[in-house]
Amino acid sequence: DAMVIQNPRYQVTQFGKPVTLSCSQTLNHNVMYWYQQKSSQAPKLLFHYYDKDFNNEADTPDNFQSRRPNTSFCFLDIRSPGLGDAAMYLCATSSSISPLHFGNGTRLTVT
Amino acid sequence: QQQVKQSPQSLIVQKGGISIINCAYENTAFDYFPWYQQFPGKGPALLIAIRPDVSEKKEGRFTISFNKSAKQFSLHIMDSQPGDSATYFCAARLGFRDTGNQFYFGTGTSLTVIP
Repeated sequence: DAMVIQNPRYQVTQFGKPVTLSCSQTLNHNVMYWYQQKSSQAPKLLFHYYDKDFNNEADTPDNFQSRRPNTSFCFLDIRSPGLGDAAMYLCATSSSISPLHFGNGTRLTVT
Repeated sequence: QQQVKQSPQSLIVQKGGISIINCAYENTAFDYFPWYQQFPGKGPALLIAIRPDVSEKKEGRFTISFNKSAKQFSLHIMDSQPGDSATYFCAARLGFRDTGNQFYFGTGTSLTVIP
């Protein structure tokens, strides 16, 4: 089945220690998104790639970076995680004619 | 500014009852309105969606009602079951030809269906 796969499902990192979350897709969608979701809140868009073009949300902290080496893969880098960055990170994809398809997320814990 | 407003924040319904979740928007450029269902520890999954030129869409027990003039849309879950207990998000899409579609989410409704 075509899908969006996120690894790892759970990630524990130390305060200030860089961490990378990964996402892959078999849907061949040209747009990939990273969302942050905190408990009982709606997903908040951090940034997205339209093909190779990176689009950052105005309020996304500089601490968050992303890479998309090819159509299928996208990475979220958190350079210096703080306690406030503990959340579920959701990767999603879409095309011009499709809705958002989400992965199951990576639950990040910062100790 | 919240682009899509959703209510209620939480909802408790008896098994077999009707669950109704409401959303409202302001931007008339939105061109697609999906509903997502999210279970704990999972990513949101597309449940049902509607375009603004349609007033109602039904898929099984799930129906979207869309009122373009009022800029409101709602999700109705008929014969609600305990397995429907989840968080529901409405969303609205803004299409951008050169930068990709943007999706704006409501704040979510936590639905509990009591057996």
